[in-house]
Amino acid sequence: NAGVTQTPKFRVLKTGQSMTLLCAQDMNHEYMYWYRQDPGMGLRLIHYSVGEGTTAKGEVPDGYNVSRLKKQNFLLGLESAAPSQTSVYFCASLRGYEQYFGPGTRLTVT
Amino acid sequence: AQKVTQAQTEISVVEKEDVTLDCVYETRDTTYYLFWYKQPPSGELVFLIRRNSFDEQNEISGRYSWNFQKSTSSFNFTITASQVVDSAVYFCALSEVVSSSNTGKLIFGQGTTLQVKP
Repeated sequence: NAGVTQTPKFRVLKTGQSMTLLCAQDMNHEYMYWYRQDPGMGLRLIHYSVGEGTTAKGEVPDGYNVSRLKKQNFLLGLESAAPSQTSVYFCASLRGYEQYFGPGTRLTVT
Repeated sequence: AQKVTQAQTEISVVEKEDVTLDCVYETRDTTYYLFWYKQPPSGELVFLIRRNSFDEQNEISGRYSWNFQKSTSSFNFTITASQVVDSAVYFCALSEVVSSSNTGKLIFGQGTTLQVKP
């Protein structure tokens, strides 16, 4: 099992550009989450999904969209990147009471 | 509302010292889970422990120990005889139990940066 993987690992964007972060899990988990980590603020929930075809907003959803067309994939999109979206992004999937985290994507928006 | 507070932003100790990382939480749920994660300089999140709200027994794992006290809503983490490899950011987190109205999301504290000097 690869667990939870994230693509890409690093990315630099210019303001206004768009991109999609891919999260993939091979554990057949229903619940998946996207968090962002900023200095001094811990991790905050952006969006989450409780199953294929369903998504919902978390704590800080503005500027992001998500899709869960396949159970194993959870995509996070930035339509028009802003410097405030410079962050480390973590994806996770849930089994029981434990979340399994991906390695993170470091995104810089200049 | 649920909230996790880690009041210690940064802690610096000398190797072999004991160090305690504090975590205070708020929740209205009667059933919940508490976690500690370690984030080394490489950036990944490493799961350390999970505790459910009905289990107040302290836990020890090697040099690590955890003290859960519902009366004070605290879940503190102690490293005994710290080592340089313990240098990392440590996060305390709270999760709601998955149900028709709960998402199982994690609420994280701000994190405590621990530096262990040789």
